[in-house]
Amino acid sequence: AQSVTQLGSHVSVSEGALVLLRCNYSSSVPPYLFWYVQYPNQGLQLLLKYTSAATLVKGINGFEAEFKKSETSFHLTKPSAHMSDAAEYFCAVSEANFGNEKLTFGTGTRLTIIP
Amino acid sequence: NAGVTQTPKFQVLKTGQSMTLQCAQDMNHNSMYWYRQDPGMGLRLIYYSASEGTTDKGEVPNGYNVSRLNKREFSLRLESAAPSQTSVYFCASNAGGRSNQPQHFGDGTRLSIL
Repeated sequence: AQSVTQLGSHVSVSEGALVLLRCNYSSSVPPYLFWYVQYPNQGLQLLLKYTSAATLVKGINGFEAEFKKSETSFHLTKPSAHMSDAAEYFCAVSEANFGNEKLTFGTGTRLTIIP
Repeated sequence: NAGVTQTPKFQVLKTGQSMTLQCAQDMNHNSMYWYRQDPGMGLRLIYYSASEGTTDKGEVPNGYNVSRLNKREFSLRLESAAPSQTSVYFCASNAGGRSNQPQHFGDGTRLSIL
């Protein structure tokens, strides 16, 4: 069974400050991990994914995430927040089994950017 | 470049009414999914279809049925709507076959049951 925990349902940072959104996962087999972003009244867009290649993954809009197996974490970071980063962010896990394609989502973190 | 298209975008129903939510993708994807999104609960999988002609239950299937009409279309039906089914519904698709393929999402259907 797989699960995802996102610490902090709401995070506020000042424009230009570091963004850190936390994600911890549980999986019985090697995981594939994803971060998605959701802007108001829209669907989810893929930010980045980890699929067992490099542990530091770079995504769109200046975001990156580091897979740490020992900590079962996949935290999302961005060095300098921009007003356009205000959105809800979801971490998701799927198990690396051929044919098992189900994603399990965390409960989401709403990011607010303070001008 | 349409991607995943959901119709309708908004709908209000009365308790006990039935309705079908439509989803179509133009990316030649094998797998399709239906989720519901509720405040503070993230997205929960209702049903999915790994390929044309197959469907499987997800985490919260009760009160719903699905049809994989062809490779492009995957519909979700509420036979007798209940207020607890008030939610935002998302359809998604991916190439399938391997679980590292990201899912592509539609813009959602906002459904209110009175």
